Amino acid sequence: AQSVTQLDSQVPVFEEAPVELRCNYSSSVSVYLFWYVQYPNQGLQLLLKYLSGSTLVKGINGFEAEFNKSQTSFHLRKPSVHISDTAEYFCAVSGEGAQKLVFGQGTRLTINP
Amino acid sequence: DTGVSQNPRHKITKRGQNVTFRCDPISEHNRLYWYRQTLGQGPEFLTYFQNEAQLEKSRLLSDRFSAERPKGSFSTLEIQRTEQGDSAMYLCASSLAFLPGTEAFFGQGTRLTVV
Repeated sequence: AQSVTQLDSQVPVFEEAPVELRCNYSSSVSVYLFWYVQYPNQGLQLLLKYLSGSTLVKGINGFEAEFNKSQTSFHLRKPSVHISDTAEYFCAVSGEGAQKLVFGQGTRLTINP
Repeated sequence: DTGVSQNPRHKITKRGQNVTFRCDPISEHNRLYWYRQTLGQGPEFLTYFQNEAQLEKSRLLSDRFSAERPKGSFSTLEIQRTEQGDSAMYLCASSLAFLPGTEAFFGQGTRLTVV
């Protein structure tokens, strides 16, 4: 069985500051890792995913994430945030043969001007 | 293609009533998923279909919940005898089942409030 822990429920940052949203996962098999963003009253939109290969993954809107197998982490980063990045961010995992996504509890990113 | 469509967007119902939600996936997608999301939590998997076959159901899906995808296209999720604990956002997603890790595209969800 897989599980995901997002270590921060809320992260406030100032506009143009860097941000890191932390995600740790647990799995007994190889995993695929995802970050989704949810804007208010919207569905989830994929930011980026790690399937294999390079551990640094680049996504949309200037986000990137690094897969660290030894630390079982998949932290999301952005060097300079914008007001429009205010949203809920979800880390998710799926395993080989497992078709469903297992989500973390989410991190609410708040950008202050 | 306009993406995954869910109807209605909002539903308020009295406890004990039955409700049905509809999901129209992206047209060429053969996989369809239902998730439930409560306030302050991440989405939780309920069930998924490949074409018209329901391949997995979560323990969260009690006997009051039933999902169908009769022709492998749209899907319906019915909740019978609703309870206040059923209040949540119900999300539908679809994907192509070619390779593991294929991206799932989500609809905007149906927000259910049971009063």
